Amino acid sequence: GEDVEQSLFLSVREGDSSVINCTYTDSSSTYLYWYKQEPGAGLQLLTYIFSNMDMKQDQRLTVLLNKKDKHLSLRIADTQTGDSAIYFCAEKGGGGADGLTFGKGTHLIIQP
Amino acid sequence: DTAVSQTPKYLVTQMGNDKSIKCEQNLGHDTMYWYKQDSKKFLKIMFSYNNKELIINETVPNRFSPKSPDKAHLNLHINSLELGDSAVYFCASSIGGAGRPQHFGDGTRLSIL
Repeated sequence: GEDVEQSLFLSVREGDSSVINCTYTDSSSTYLYWYKQEPGAGLQLLTYIFSNMDMKQDQRLTVLLNKKDKHLSLRIADTQTGDSAIYFCAEKGGGGADGLTFGKGTHLIIQP
Repeated sequence: DTAVSQTPKYLVTQMGNDKSIKCEQNLGHDTMYWYKQDSKKFLKIMFSYNNKELIINETVPNRFSPKSPDKAHLNLHINSLELGDSAVYFCASSIGGAGRPQHFGDGTRLSIL
């Protein structure tokens, strides 16, 4: 079945750029997503990219998609303490339900 | 002006009870979903539903049943609660079904005693 993999933790210094990586297996994915979850909160849709694109930029966020390698990344420029959260990569799953397949999330830790 | 709202936010109950979680969206979306997030933060789809079709993840026990009184609501009913049901349950909605961005509620934290 479909699988989405992410590193569990990423630690960066405040002001540096954060790059969160994700790999997926479903070659038929049409959309790929990044969600942010702050402690005790719900999932916030950050950005998404259609599979015929290779880059999307939205203010401090840059998404890169390498469809050949099935690799997705999220770059956060000028990382701030408010960016501390869990970041989930997701793709449209083709399994038994018409929902998203999520990675296990990357905990972004900001060092002062 | 909350887009996807769930109630209750917290639910503490005893094993064996039956409980429901409500979800409402005011986005005009036609597809709604339920996800389960376990203690390790792993998210998994349980159901998706639009006015035509209910799709069930085959791993979900039949003690869980979604009920949709109208397009704006998808409630989750759980019978005979078990310890392993303790988790955070998220409702989401989207327009047009497959592939469209899903908007999530804030979650319901269910704790089974």
